Amino acid sequence: RKEVEQDPGPFNVPEGATVAFNCTYSNSASQSFFWYRQDCRKEPKLLMSVYSSGNEDGRFTAQLNRASQYISLLIRDSKLSDSATYLCAVFGSGNTGKLIFGQGTTLQVKP
Amino acid sequence: NAGVTQTPKFQVLKTGQSMTLQCAQDMNHNSMYWYRQDPGMGLRLIYYSASEGTTDKGEVPNGYNVSRLNKREFSLRLESAAPSQTSVYFCASSEVGTGVDEQFFGPGTRLTVL
Repeated sequence: RKEVEQDPGPFNVPEGATVAFNCTYSNSASQSFFWYRQDCRKEPKLLMSVYSSGNEDGRFTAQLNRASQYISLLIRDSKLSDSATYLCAVFGSGNTGKLIFGQGTTLQVKP
Repeated sequence: NAGVTQTPKFQVLKTGQSMTLQCAQDMNHNSMYWYRQDPGMGLRLIYYSASEGTTDKGEVPNGYNVSRLNKREFSLRLESAAPSQTSVYFCASSEVGTGVDEQFFGPGTRLTVL
């Protein structure tokens, strides 16, 4: 089993839709979790950090479920500009800052 | 403030050739990382450097070497390139231990090995 797993999609949704992605992790001791956004042929950029019970930033909400070992990303009122690949990442062991990434979930928002 | 810069942006090599990918950051971060990204595989850590003068293997280190030249620069070397090393390579940096855990990525190097 991979340490961090995501459904690669693609998720095709109409503008204005609400869409949610999940990401499962295998290390129950993991403390820090992140969602990165990656546009086509560009570098990943941090979208949100998920440290405890989750957080919200505008149309984006990230949740952590420790019991089931997954994090989720909810996007409300999808925009065309939300089309991208969303990568979840989990801190690896030790205090080295190493991140373990999922394979990414592709979102395509259509008019 | 350029953030993380990488050179070159594109490179084509023949099997067996060597090359060095350069990475520099101007954010005074202590930690730096090299990843490769292949279709359907996400980002996989090749090597990382927790601080100047230290380096350590990541998930896929075989066929690569690294040098943390100083706090700013972290280079990745392919001694004898193989077609399996065709990939997009990203360098990243972060300041570990301060509570600000974000990794900042460079624009990537697209490498093709023929």
